Amino acid sequence: NAGVMQNPRHLVRRRGQEARLRCSPMKGHSHVYWYRQLPEEGLKFMVYLQKENIIDESGMPKERFSAEFPKEGPSILRIQQVVRGDSAAYFCASSPYSGQGAEAFFGQGTRLTVV
Amino acid sequence: LAKTTQPISMDSYEGQEVNITCSHNNIATNDYITWYQQFPSQGPRFIIQGYKTKVTNEVASLFIPADRKSSTLSLPRVSLSDTAVYYCLVVFASGGSYIPTFGRGTSLIVHP
Repeated sequence: NAGVMQNPRHLVRRRGQEARLRCSPMKGHSHVYWYRQLPEEGLKFMVYLQKENIIDESGMPKERFSAEFPKEGPSILRIQQVVRGDSAAYFCASSPYSGQGAEAFFGQGTRLTVV
Repeated sequence: LAKTTQPISMDSYEGQEVNITCSHNNIATNDYITWYQQFPSQGPRFIIQGYKTKVTNEVASLFIPADRKSSTLSLPRVSLSDTAVYYCLVVFASGGSYIPTFGRGTSLIVHP
């Protein structure tokens, strides 16, 4: 059973370009969480999705950021018109259910660098 | 919202037992306490989870007092490879959704 797969591992974008980060959850997991981590800081929650639904996006910036988890295929975190401040590591986690006691499994992350 | 507070950093030596304490004064009745480990350039990895008293697995023990306002992660006989950041978190319930919410974590450095 493969773990959570994120790609690409490293992504370099120029200011103003779009960044697309992909996350394939573990088999059988229908709950996906996205986090952002700045250097020397903890993980900041961004968005929680289930298949075809955004459940909680309270941590997502209001502009330029969007996320989806289609019925088929990976979850996508999309950042439009990237700026230098978007440079960070973005982690995706999946879990088999949502609730107390649910263990979240994390991917290796995508390191976005905006130049 | 059950925020967590833990020391920013700790130092230890190989072979010692390490105890990292986390405060969560506002923990709710149904909240579980979970600990994750993160190595540089990697995603967090689940270590242990508990609700009350003591939980033990092959890598760590978790001690939770009766009032559940704190918890202690115990790592027996640490090695250099245990150098990592350790996060204590309480799953935050928001409108029926349960969202693992991370604090700043404790950076553990194990010395030879």
